[in-house]
Amino acid sequence: DQQVKQNSPSLSVQEGRISILNCDYTNSMFDYFLWYKKYPAEGPTFLISISSIKDKNEDGRFTVFLNKSAKHLSLHIVPSQPGDSAVYFCAGNAGGTSYGKLTFGQGTILTVHP
Amino acid sequence: GAGVSQSPSNKVTEKGKDVELRCDPISGHTALYWYRQSLGQGLEFLIYFQGNSAPDKSGLPSDRFSAERTGGSVSTLTIQRTQQEDSAVYLCASSPAMQRWEQFFGPGTRLTVL
Repeated sequence: DQQVKQNSPSLSVQEGRISILNCDYTNSMFDYFLWYKKYPAEGPTFLISISSIKDKNEDGRFTVFLNKSAKHLSLHIVPSQPGDSAVYFCAGNAGGTSYGKLTFGQGTILTVHP
Repeated sequence: GAGVSQSPSNKVTEKGKDVELRCDPISGHTALYWYRQSLGQGLEFLIYFQGNSAPDKSGLPSDRFSAERTGGSVSTLTIQRTQQEDSAVYLCASSPAMQRWEQFFGPGTRLTVL
């Protein structure tokens, strides 16, 4: 039962262009969502988050959009840079007794070409 | 300051053997989490510790898995009678308190069961 799905295993974009990474979820109890970035041989690092009371959150080049009715979120990176090449994981959290438990997707490998 | 550290970085074992994986969280962090990532899968929650509260073990896949946290700091994840399906990267994370936004991850231990 995969509650968070990232259906694109990989994405390749040109430097300077927009990268759009997508994520779908099935658990309607999720009310908080996060994106993490992971470089090889390192642990994931937190990138950006969004609460379900919002539909957009922006931090510099990174913007996360949430469409609750579609149970879909996306991460936009503009402009993309070669250093953004990494694996990106989205995650959901249901709060309450699950407060510390993040449910992750499988990840999308982003490659940004110079 | 020092981040989350995990040891060993790689562990190869034979089916049926017991293994212990160690996590040193960031000093002062009261919450500690274990996740694992099997090939092609997302990060799967296993267990978390918060201060002196009873740990949430709801993600442990079987009774062969156990974890402890001594003195509110170092944690050990033990897998008894390892099986090939236990092969995965085991990730530890910590945070200042139990929180669902930024969890700080270690680099992981890659476990291979032959």
